[in-house]
Amino acid sequence: QQQVKQSPQSLIVQKGGIPIINCAYENTAFDYFPWYQQFPGKGPALLIAIRPDVSEKKEGRFTISFNKSAKQFSLHIMDSQPGDSATYFCAASMEGAQKLVFGQGTRLTINP
Amino acid sequence: DGGITQSPKYLFRKEGQNVTLSCEQNLNHDAMYWYRQDPGQGLRLIYYSQIVNDFQKGDIAEGYSVSREKKESFPLTVTSAQKNPTAFYLCASTGNAGSPLKQYFGPGTRLTVT
Repeated sequence: QQQVKQSPQSLIVQKGGIPIINCAYENTAFDYFPWYQQFPGKGPALLIAIRPDVSEKKEGRFTISFNKSAKQFSLHIMDSQPGDSATYFCAASMEGAQKLVFGQGTRLTINP
Repeated sequence: DGGITQSPKYLFRKEGQNVTLSCEQNLNHDAMYWYRQDPGQGLRLIYYSQIVNDFQKGDIAEGYSVSREKKESFPLTVTSAQKNPTAFYLCASTGNAGSPLKQYFGPGTRLTVT
């Protein structure tokens, strides 16, 4: 019940396309859902995060969509660029938690 | 310049030797974490510490040890008991009390054991 399932494992999109990465969870106590972006050989960096009281959050070209009833959330990247090629991780945590639960990661490639 | 420092970036060791990876933060964060990442894999939690002189095992603690003698430092020792030590090791920290759990990562140390 502590797992976060992420899909797809890898994704290839043409420049300008809209890659979508999906995550699903079981624990309804989760109340914080961040996304991390990791470039090869670097540490992950917080990209965007959402709380369950909203259904969507945008920051620049990155959008999180959140479906509380389905216990799913997804990351959309508008007007994707080759520089967006990276591994993306979703995660979840709850009030008082001491650690994040991470998804397995999605390796995204944006072709020129 | 605030952040998390991990050194060295690359580390090579012979099988059977213990090796210690350094992690220092100047963010004044209470909690610190160690993760392991294998090629094409997710992040697996090794150990974490909420306060000085206290730490808890994560999901894959066997073959590893840690100490937390200072708030800003959380070194990880990969012992000879760790069967597959070659991996990318990431240190992270989180801000102080209260939600949400915003985690900041260091640049990582790539350990190769031959």
